[in-house]
Amino acid sequence: RKEVEQDPGPFNVPEGATVAFNCTYSNSASQSFFWYRQDCRKEPKLLMSVYSSGNEDGRFTAQLNRASQYISLLIRDSKLSDSATYLCVVRNTGFQKLVFGTGTRLLVSP
Amino acid sequence: EPEVTQTPSHQVTQMGQEVILRCVPISNHLYFYWYRQILGQKVEFLVSFYNNEISEKSEIFDDQFSVERPDGSNFTLKIRSTKLEDSAMYFCASSEGGDGNEQFFGPGTRLTVL
Repeated sequence: RKEVEQDPGPFNVPEGATVAFNCTYSNSASQSFFWYRQDCRKEPKLLMSVYSSGNEDGRFTAQLNRASQYISLLIRDSKLSDSATYLCVVRNTGFQKLVFGTGTRLLVSP
Repeated sequence: EPEVTQTPSHQVTQMGQEVILRCVPISNHLYFYWYRQILGQKVEFLVSFYNNEISEKSEIFDDQFSVERPDGSNFTLKIRSTKLEDSAMYFCASSEGGDGNEQFFGPGTRLTVL
């Protein structure tokens, strides 16, 4: 079983739509959770960390369910510039390495 | 804004040749990392480096790979005898601290092994 699993998509949505991505992780020792964004052939960039209580940053809301080992990302009012691959990332207790999911591709169209 | 830089942006080499990928981490960062991403696949951790030694490495990071901080600014990844399957994008990253600190990624070096 993959350590971090995501639906690869692509998700095709019109501008202004709300879209949600889900991610599950298999290691109960996972301690830190993140969403990264990766544009085509570019480096991953941190979008937001995910906290147990859930957190919001503008149009982006992240949720964590430790019991179900499930992480989500909600994007409201999608913009063309949101088109990218969204990477679910975890870090396990005692380790520095980041463990990446394969990513979910989002395409926002006019 | 400080950033991680990597050179070259693209390296083409023949199978069996040695390559050195170079990175300049953010200046006040203490932890350094290499990740790779084979085309169409996920980003995979290779190695982390702290206090002039490897602190963590993956099963991918075998004897063909080595890392070095030759001076106060550069961090290098050497692949001793490249294989076709080493073709990938190699990302360097750095962080101020270890646990819980954001890792900042460089733009990557695309390695093509022919």
